[in-house]
Amino acid sequence: AQSVTQLGSHVSVSEGALVLLRCNYSSSVPPYLFWYVQYPNQGLQLLLKYTSAATLVKGINGFEAEFKKSETSFHLTKPSAHMSDAAEYFCAVSEGGTASKLTFGTGTRLQVTL
Amino acid sequence: EPEVTQTPSHQVTQMGQEVILRCVPISNHLYFYWYRQILGQKVEFLVSFYNNEISEKSEIFDDQFSVERPDGSNFTLKIRSTKLEDSAMYFCASSESSGGYEQYFGPGTRLTVT
Repeated sequence: AQSVTQLGSHVSVSEGALVLLRCNYSSSVPPYLFWYVQYPNQGLQLLLKYTSAATLVKGINGFEAEFKKSETSFHLTKPSAHMSDAAEYFCAVSEGGTASKLTFGTGTRLQVTL
Repeated sequence: EPEVTQTPSHQVTQMGQEVILRCVPISNHLYFYWYRQILGQKVEFLVSFYNNEISEKSEIFDDQFSVERPDGSNFTLKIRSTKLEDSAMYFCASSESSGGYEQYFGPGTRLTVT
């Protein structure tokens, strides 16, 4: 069975500082991995995804994530936080197959301070 | 840009009543999903739908739940007899294909059962 663990339900960074949001996964097959962002009162928007091509994946808004099989991790980073990055971030895993479901982590709320 | 739409945005119903949540997926997508998010908790998979039948359902998706694609554009989730614990945000999603393809999420319907 697939599962995702996100360490840290709340992360606070200063504007301009490095953002690091942690995600570890469990999967019985090579996984597909996703990061979604949710702004208040909105749906989920895809930031980036890993689908077994390059292990370093670049996404929208300057975010990137690195797939590390040995660590079963897919941490999300951004070199310099912006106030507009404040949101809830969800890591998700899929094992593929027909109409493959996403299994989400519990989410990390990112706060960006001046 | 094409998007998934959901109606209504907020529905209040009394315990025991039937509700139908409506979704219009992106037009060329073939795979459809419902997820829910209880306040303060993670996003949970309910059901996936492909080729006019359920592909997979979670343990949450019991006999009180049903899905339907009544025409070429709508995708509905019906809860026959709502319970207090059904109060949640319900998200519809669609994807062009399965596996590593992005699932596009709608803005959600907030269901409140009183």
